[in-house]
Amino acid sequence: QQPVQSPQAVILREGEDAVINCSSSKALYSVHWYRQKHGEAPVFLMILLKGGEQKGHDKISASFNEKKQQSSLYLTASQLSYSGTYFCGTGPNSGNTPLVFGKGTRLSVIA
Amino acid sequence: GAGVSQTPSNKVTEKGKYVELRCDPISGHTALYWYRQSLGQGPEFLIYFQGTGAADDSGLPNDRFFAVRPEGSVSTLKIQRTERGDSAVYLCASSHLAGAEQFFGPGTRLTVL
Repeated sequence: QQPVQSPQAVILREGEDAVINCSSSKALYSVHWYRQKHGEAPVFLMILLKGGEQKGHDKISASFNEKKQQSSLYLTASQLSYSGTYFCGTGPNSGNTPLVFGKGTRLSVIA
Repeated sequence: GAGVSQTPSNKVTEKGKYVELRCDPISGHTALYWYRQSLGQGPEFLIYFQGTGAADDSGLPNDRFFAVRPEGSVSTLKIQRTERGDSAVYLCASSHLAGAEQFFGPGTRLTVL
């Protein structure tokens, strides 16, 4: 079943923070996060695995709450380059089944 | 090194025609995925290959859709008797292991008139 992302869209000023949530009705093994700019391919951000640690690089980090079957993506001190649509993809087991992607969260960062 | 490439970048066809979409994955990547993306939606899984074999084709919408990866590298998605509802961007992705991060190609925009 498709994970639910919230919010559907958000507008930020440069330097502001944002949180994007991804919820599933099924038990999860992994959550993948991707960013897609208009007219381009999705680009991998990070994977979170069941039992793993919170991930992050630069000013983008994510958490995975296995009990709540949720993941959150945190963007701090947003930059113009963060604009795009963020997708979570959820996997129910260790890798032999395909990811199911949410509908995406459109993030716009303005100066 | 080179990323995932897809050809053609755009394909316009008429209802009822046959089309082939090609994907060249990153060299050495054993897993290859096909997705379809409509405007305002996330990628929708179609089929996944591990090596030469289709490990999961549960996302193919019907028997008009078929995909092959005969040598474990390049893959071709084939659509017979195209319908207007097949219009979408078809994305291919590859990864070095099933379940690892996926690297997407630029996609093929298919328009069925």
